[in-house]
Amino acid sequence: SQTIHQWPATLVQPVGSPLSLECTVEGTSNPNLYWYRQAAGRGLQLLFYSVGIGQISSEVPQNLSASRPQDRQFILSSKKLLLSDSGFYLCAWSPRRTAEKLFFGSGTQLSVL
Amino acid sequence: AQSVTQPDIHITVSEGASLELRCNYSYGATPYLFWYVQSPGQGLQLLLKYFSGDTLVQGIKGFEAEFKRSQSSFNLRKPSVHWSDAAEYFCAVTGGSYIPTFGRGTSLIVHP
Repeated sequence: SQTIHQWPATLVQPVGSPLSLECTVEGTSNPNLYWYRQAAGRGLQLLFYSVGIGQISSEVPQNLSASRPQDRQFILSSKKLLLSDSGFYLCAWSPRRTAEKLFFGSGTQLSVL
Repeated sequence: AQSVTQPDIHITVSEGASLELRCNYSYGATPYLFWYVQSPGQGLQLLLKYFSGDTLVQGIKGFEAEFKRSQSSFNLRKPSVHWSDAAEYFCAVTGGSYIPTFGRGTSLIVHP
């Protein structure tokens, strides 16, 4: 069966520090991969999605970036965190070329202080 | 462009009472519609989905939703709410692409 792993679960970082959040999927191949951010009371904001290795689409311009070095690995990064980067980050995957169903990771609560 | 509106930020119901969460969408053709549930500090889990066919769809945990094209709605219902149903509920739409658009969510509070 397919599983998605996202870590860390909680992260506290100072302003200006770098960020790296990792997400991996098991039990499937060629998934679509997504990074969402959830701010309190504001729903889910799509940050990045990827339909293949090295293929990244950005939905919102900001100081975050994403990479997909392997088929089932999706990384969210920042060189210098801002206070506004605080939030709950969710990784998700769906079968290739369809959003029939999204499978979500358990999320990372990021606090930038 | 597709969009989703969940007009209620919070809904409070008593345990055992019926529930209806509202969702309105905007999309030019037949949409794919979803309801997800999120427990505190967790990811989202799919409750049910509508692609085509019967407009009343059944999901997990006793939930159902009805697609009404004339009203551009996909409201979620449950006849009797349990305390464990307290969570955040998200409606989502996709036009057949792989990029779903989510509503901002409705927080369900269940009173004993």
